[in-house]
Amino acid sequence: GENVGLHLPTLSVQEGDNSIINCAYSNSASDYFIWYKQESGKGPQFIIDIRSNMDKRQGQRVTVLLNKTVKHLSLQIAATQPGDSAVYFCAETFSGNTPLVFGKGTRLSVIA
Amino acid sequence: NAGVMQNPRHLVRRRGQEARLRCSPMKGHSHVYWYRQLPEEGLKFMVYLQKENIIDESGMPKERFSAEFPKEGPSILRIQQVVRGDSAAYFCASSKSGVGTDTQYFGPGTRLTVL
Repeated sequence: GENVGLHLPTLSVQEGDNSIINCAYSNSASDYFIWYKQESGKGPQFIIDIRSNMDKRQGQRVTVLLNKTVKHLSLQIAATQPGDSAVYFCAETFSGNTPLVFGKGTRLSVIA
Repeated sequence: NAGVMQNPRHLVRRRGQEARLRCSPMKGHSHVYWYRQLPEEGLKFMVYLQKENIIDESGMPKERFSAEFPKEGPSILRIQQVVRGDSAAYFCASSKSGVGTDTQYFGPGTRLTVL
């Protein structure tokens, strides 16, 4: 399953499928990007980050892709599991003690 | 290692009362950030503090809100004379250093309800 931008805030995928969550960030000067996962009633949990000198970074079952040309960030989750159901936020910042700017978030719903 | 601690987890106040939210950063972290989250929205930055110093308060409302991070003890976010619009989840995050590339780790949040 794939959503485009932040205009479709809900993404439903079948268990076992791959998920792609997209984010259009706002500041072309941003050089550090983070994906957070937030489960209901909990604080955001760090998933993966990427710096602007990279265009791809892989973690365990997750991959972040960065396209600076179009200011686009995506999070790919392989073999999506029910425990992946949550709201996912991208956040951007510029080096030098600047605050994180969060996107609106995408709700991922995994169908068993 | 204990993560970022926040208390209380839930706080109910009547209009006009004061709300005090506490945040203890992760061990070894000296940088604290406060964010506010309305239902179904992303987090909005409020204030960034280092021990005994406010580094950036560009996201703080000009009135009724204040924050501190004393030399000893937790960081406090204080809201005076609360109004219904202050109802939200307030999250604290901490990092080891304050540069933009240092990961911020979040606490579980305080959910403030103003009656």
